[in-house]
Order: sequence, then structure tokens, then C-alpha cells
Amino acid sequence: QSALTQPPSASGSPGQSVTISCTGTSSDVGGYNSVSWYQQHPGKAPQLLIYEVTKRPSGVPDRFSGSKSGNTASLTVSGLQAEDEAAYYCSSYGGRNNWVFGGGTELTVL
Amino acid sequence: EVQLVESGGGLVQPGRSLRLSCAASGFSFDDFAMHWVRQAPGKGLEWVSGISWNSDNRAYADAIKGRFTISRDNAKNSLYLQMNSLRAEDTALYYCGKEHCTGTHCHVALDYWGQGTLVTVSS
Repeated sequence: QSALTQPPSASGSPGQSVTISCTGTSSDVGGYNSVSWYQQHPGKAPQLLIYEVTKRPSGVPDRFSGSKSGNTASLTVSGLQAEDEAAYYCSSYGGRNNWVFGGGTELTVL
Repeated sequence: EVQLVESGGGLVQPGRSLRLSCAASGFSFDDFAMHWVRQAPGKGLEWVSGISWNSDNRAYADAIKGRFTISRDNAKNSLYLQMNSLRAEDTALYYCGKEHCTGTHCHVALDYWGQGTLVTVSS
């Protein structure tokens, strides 16, 4: 159960787009369409942004989108806003009823 | 309104035990699988354990297997995590989370989280 690999940091200017990657293996990210993404502001609980690679729960702006290619999933935040500054975590089913998270990416809005 | 409220955290010596609770309200608790996720200070999220709606299926991360036990009481709308043989590396904020379902299909995702309860393992 190794953690999924995310870049520790990412940044972009307001209005720009930024993409955060999440790399796993064929035993987790590549093996299932069960990648989810979470946003966590400091001192707050995580909030679900994306599930099943590309789907958004109700209430999540369409500025947030997900995709996957092989063993790597990606979260794209379009039209960056100041309130998007937060930590972002990916998660995937890892087989044998186990889930695995990524190490997290701190997004800075310049 | 869905609410998840964790309790039971605190300072405990290495090797001792602690039982966390998560009180759920605002949804049909016995319809959903539930999970525990932890976050060490300044670190990322780590999945700990999950339990199906009827307790038939329970899963654990390798790091805590054999030491922690997840359970639930649907009559009390409550989720539990019994933590034994605690180690310094178990120090973290422990969140409970509700599995996200759309219709009758449930997903590998948590749509509601509590605010967490802090467990500190130190002598």
C-alpha cells in the first residue's frame, strides 16, 4: 500500500489553469476507475471534488475536472481563484478492499 | 444536514489503547459504508479502515492491521475505532467519513467528513 505520488507544490495566477498529477501503479490508479480528488483548506476537513476519475458531486464548480491516462490521474483547476489556494489530495482504490491516498499538493494562487 | 462528530481522542502512552467514536446524523446511517482516515501533524491524508453498512466487510491499512478494529452500531448511528498497542507514529487527527453513493451505486470516495479527533501517542 504505497502512497500515490503527487508533486508537493503547484502554482498559477488568477484566471489561469493548473493541472496536478497523481501517479500510481496498475494495482491502483491504472487498474480501477476509482480515483477521487479532495480539497483541504488549512484547519478544515477535506472536501470531495471529483469521484470516479471525472465525476463532480453536486455543488462542485465545473472549473474542477479530472482525467486519467494509464497509471496517472490528473486534476485540472481552470479559471484559478484566490479561494482555490489549498492542499489537494488524490485517492484510489488499491485492491483487496484497501484505499490509498496521494501525498498531497499545495496549490498557491500567485 | 449531514453531521459527523468524532470524539475519544487524547494523549496516551505508547502501548496503551484508545477508542474513537463518530456520531452520525442527518442521513440513513445504516445505508452507507463508513471509513476512518488520519492525518499526522503537517502531513497528508492516510486511509485507515472501512466498514460496510452491515459490518460484514471490514478492511484495514497494513500499518494498523492487527492493532486497530473498526466497528459500528447502526442502532446508535455510531462508528468506532478501537486502537490497541498504540505507537508514536499513530499520532494524528482521525477523521470519520461517509462513503459517497449515487442512487444504489457507491463509490470509492467520501462525501462528508467530521472535523476530526486528535490522538497523541507519547510518554
